[in-house]
Amino acid sequence: GIQVEQSPPDLILQEGANSTLRCNFSDSVNNLQWFHQNPWGQLINLFYIPSGTKQNGRLSATTVATERYSLLYISSSQTTDSGVYFCAVRVRMRFGAGTRLTVKP
Amino acid sequence: GAVVSQHPSWVICKSGTSVKIECRSLDFQATTMFWYRQFPKQSLMLMATSNEGSKATYEQGVEKDKFLINHASLTLSTLTVTSAHPEDSSFYICSAPAGQMYFGPGTRLTVL
Repeated sequence: GIQVEQSPPDLILQEGANSTLRCNFSDSVNNLQWFHQNPWGQLINLFYIPSGTKQNGRLSATTVATERYSLLYISSSQTTDSGVYFCAVRVRMRFGAGTRLTVKP
Repeated sequence: GAVVSQHPSWVICKSGTSVKIECRSLDFQATTMFWYRQFPKQSLMLMATSNEGSKATYEQGVEKDKFLINHASLTLSTLTVTSAHPEDSSFYICSAPAGQMYFGPGTRLTVL
């Protein structure tokens, strides 16, 4: 089956810093989403981005489907950005292992 | 965006009992829903696809007789963990598609 790899596994930032999270996938996809899992376990939809670039406030994402990767950018990070970020592909979703982000005040 | 709810949000049960978890799409219909399981510090793993009006399809390694799925209507899927054991303790999350995939808030199951 398709493999989904996320990097880095852990990331510690100072408040205000910028970061880039990466998601590589091993086969073609027509569905890719980024999620933020909050401390209570809820998955928050960030982007539906099978291709192209989208922006939402301090967050933006780019997927280059032909090269099988997606990037999530977080600018001016805040402590509330802490949590685990997942990318997932396909309808029967395959998740990456996640990036655990900690933003320190 | 679309809203998916789950009930209960947490449940504690004794070993050997059965537990039912409900997943509802609140403002849209879903002929297909999905059930995932997440162990602590791990990622989400797809367990099964719930199909309205037909049998669920299970991922490899998931026991269909242990995890009973019923898609009773276009807005409701249920997952019943039968004869639960401590190793079934986990976080169970459902999802439903509405353009993109929307996830419920999850159900934390603890089996004593």
